[in-house]
Amino acid sequence: LAKTTQPISMDSYEGQEVNITCSHNNIATNDYITWYQQFPSQGPRFIIQGYKTKVTNEVASLFIPADRKSSTLSLPRVSLSDTAVYYCLVGESNTGKLIFGQGTTLQVKP
Amino acid sequence: GAVVSQHPSRVICKSGTSVKIECRSLDFQATTMFWYRQFPKQSLMLMATSNEGSKATYEQGVEKDKFLINHASLTLSTLTVTSAHPEDSSFYICSASGRAGNTIYFGEGSWLTVV
Repeated sequence: LAKTTQPISMDSYEGQEVNITCSHNNIATNDYITWYQQFPSQGPRFIIQGYKTKVTNEVASLFIPADRKSSTLSLPRVSLSDTAVYYCLVGESNTGKLIFGQGTTLQVKP
Repeated sequence: GAVVSQHPSRVICKSGTSVKIECRSLDFQATTMFWYRQFPKQSLMLMATSNEGSKATYEQGVEKDKFLINHASLTLSTLTVTSAHPEDSSFYICSASGRAGNTIYFGEGSWLTVV
């Protein structure tokens, strides 16, 4: 399974755009890239998923370069409630098996 | 969107007893479910893959006789922690993959405390 590497922590202020980059050098051809958000004592919540180029939904954007060896989650105008751990995952598209890395703890300050 | 539900959300059991945690996919059929364990301030650790109608596949280091997994239907997988000990106290989370397989959804998690 492809291993992912993310910054352990990031700080931001309310209203700012936050970009979290994840590297996945060994991503396989059929793997999708998925980002999850986790609050304490809750299960991870799906944020966004992509295969290549750019994907945007109502909460985030995901940028994936052509070589797919990295991806960047962009959160526009974060608020205090976006303080959480963010996980970048590269999964086997045929099995759905996901291996979690350390994740990035985002702290949004007022 | 797809919903995965776990029950109970919190359970306390005595050392030596067994406890069962349920994971249900509410609006889709889950051919595969996954069970994770998470200790405080740590990441999720995959324990096993639960396949509907067949035996679960356990990750290295996970005792299959201690963590019994049953996936008898396309909407339900259960994890039974047998002969629980205090060190089994943890946050257990399940996830489910629908037939399309690309997007994985997680349950709310179940806190197990063994006293």
